[in-house]
Amino acid sequence: QSALTQPRSVSGSPGQSVTISCTGTSSDVGGYNYVSWYQQHPGKAPKLMIYDVSKRPSGVPDRFSGSKSGNTASLTISGLQAEDEADYYCCSYAGSLWVFGGGTKLTVL
Amino acid sequence: QLQLQESGPGLVKPSETLSLTCTVSGGSISSSSYYWGWIRQPPGKGLEWIGSIYYSGSTYYNPSLKSRVTISVDTSKNQFSLKLSSVTAADTAVYYCARPGGGLWGQGTLVTVSS
Repeated sequence: QSALTQPRSVSGSPGQSVTISCTGTSSDVGGYNYVSWYQQHPGKAPKLMIYDVSKRPSGVPDRFSGSKSGNTASLTISGLQAEDEADYYCCSYAGSLWVFGGGTKLTVL
Repeated sequence: QLQLQESGPGLVKPSETLSLTCTVSGGSISSSSYYWGWIRQPPGKGLEWIGSIYYSGSTYYNPSLKSRVTISVDTSKNQFSLKLSSVTAADTAVYYCARPGGGLWGQGTLVTVSS
């Protein structure tokens, strides 16, 4: 069971859009529609932003969207805001197991 | 509304067993279709799934930790627990009880392994 692959960092200016990728295998991301995305600010617990690949929990802005193609899932944040600066983690079901990505630091310039 | 809260020692000696408990409030831990889990995050590093237990009693563990991990449920106390044996400094982390893949997480508790 290997960690999912995410870029270590991404950046964007306020108002712009950024996309964070999460690459796995056919045993995790590609095999199930159970990919979640978490936002984590320093010293805080992770917050669910997307679940089941593209569903948004109540209260999460529609600026956040998720998708999947093959073994790669993506989180897109449009209309970047300063408060979006945080670490983002993807998580995938892998047949009774769960696996996380290594995390991506989003910097809002 | 379900809530989770971790509890347990914040300091554990090397080679000893780390024991944490997660108390579920706002609902029953034994409702069907529920599953519970533990996730950890070493200081400055990413999230790592430790293991999960399902309402059926089935447990699943991260292969890298499987030989040292036990997760169990105490329905009478509405709690589930984590035991990690033979700990080393590498096990120092914030430990979260959570529903992996979902939005239900505890606030996390820092466990330091040191003599």
